[in-house]
Amino acid sequence: EVQLVESGGGLVQPGGSLRLSCAASGFTFSNYWMGWVRQAPGKGLEWVANIKQDGSEKKFVDSLKGRFTISRDNAKNSLYLQMNSLRAEDTAVYYCARIQYGSGSFWFDPWGQGTLVAVSS
Amino acid sequence: DIQMTQSPSSLSASVGDRVTITCRASQSIRSSLNWYQQKPGQAPKLLIYAASSLQSGVPSRFSGSGSGTDFTLTISSLQPEDFATYYCQQTYSTPWTFGRGTKVEI
Repeated sequence: EVQLVESGGGLVQPGGSLRLSCAASGFTFSNYWMGWVRQAPGKGLEWVANIKQDGSEKKFVDSLKGRFTISRDNAKNSLYLQMNSLRAEDTAVYYCARIQYGSGSFWFDPWGQGTLVAVSS
Repeated sequence: DIQMTQSPSSLSASVGDRVTITCRASQSIRSSLNWYQQKPGQAPKLLIYAASSLQSGVPSRFSGSGSGTDFTLTISSLQPEDFATYYCQQTYSTPWTFGRGTKVEI
């Protein structure tokens, strides 16, 4: 069974840092682009970042460039999101997701269950 | 950035109704349009990818259509488990963007 399990969320003070992890199982992790999506409480979905199979290519939403970084460790079947200089507006559930490709298009499937990041003093 | 305008933002429907949700892109995205369903407290679930391809395991009452800038998600006969929020997403170019969602309520 394909499974993605996020961890590392929690309460952090403004200006602090947090590293999210996503453990993948049930598929050959190194064969897939992976991504992060976040959802603020009661709000819609926001794409955060994607990373290529070997980590050589990364794409980020402009508003988070410079504060967040995405990485992966294929030997550990793990995806990471390093979040620095956190702000209240970064409060959200963060989901990791596998990226699939076909018919000239990309999509997220499956998604992890999410991990909540709360930024507050 | 490509803006995705989803409508309506919410709708009330009954079991057995035919439901249609639309999504319009601010520029052509060919067929790079996906639909997700999200229930409260759960992660989004893929329903339709590449505008009209039904994800494995998703009931056939769900269908997607469109290309270019205008897309539609149709639920042919609404079931109790379909009450949820639905999001469209374009993956034609980064930043990948989502519509604001459509909440389907009783």
